[in-house]
Amino acid sequence: DGGITQSPKYLFRKEGQNVTLSCEQNLNHDAMYWYRQDPGQGLRLIYYSQIVNDFQKGDIAEGYSVSREKKESFPLTVTSAQKNPTAFYLCASIPGGTVSNQPQHFGDGTRLSIL
Amino acid sequence: GQNIDQPTEMTATEGAIVQINCTYQTSGFNGLFWYQQHAGEAPTFLSYNVLDGLEEKGRFSSFLSRSKGYSYLLLKELQMKDSASYLCAVRLSGYNKLIFGAGTRLAVHP
Repeated sequence: DGGITQSPKYLFRKEGQNVTLSCEQNLNHDAMYWYRQDPGQGLRLIYYSQIVNDFQKGDIAEGYSVSREKKESFPLTVTSAQKNPTAFYLCASIPGGTVSNQPQHFGDGTRLSIL
Repeated sequence: GQNIDQPTEMTATEGAIVQINCTYQTSGFNGLFWYQQHAGEAPTFLSYNVLDGLEEKGRFSSFLSRSKGYSYLLLKELQMKDSASYLCAVRLSGYNKLIFGAGTRLAVHP
């Protein structure tokens, strides 16, 4: 079955530590996205990538970094510069690199907490 | 700037009908999506509107008025499993970026 796999499901970060959240999709989608969701709030865009080897900052990119070396993979690193990383992180993808009327497909999310 | 407003919480009775409103002010518009999200889970797609009017999908319908910057999601024959958050999201022109509202938390009571 095709889908988006995020791992781990739960992650704990120590002070000063960088952590990487994995997102893999086997849907052959061109565009991939990372969102952050805080309790009682909507999703906020961190980074997105329309094609391999290219990505753009979203609305809250500070303290985060990404790479897109392969079409199926879009890992997110939460750096020590992100002072409030506790949140639910969602990865999404969509077919086609240009504007599409297809909905974004989401992974099951990673819940990150500070130790 | 981009702004999407939804009511924070709503309650309804099993078997009833509920309407969840969404108003938006965005720099450009290229479609509006509704998603359902159960607590701790990923959002799942419910409906998409890009032209004015009503789209019906079983127990769920969604309406759009682009001139008013307004949409609603209508849920009929409510079931307990419909208790969830409902997210309104606008796609901006020329991009596949979505701007999400904060979501409406719906509680369905027996």
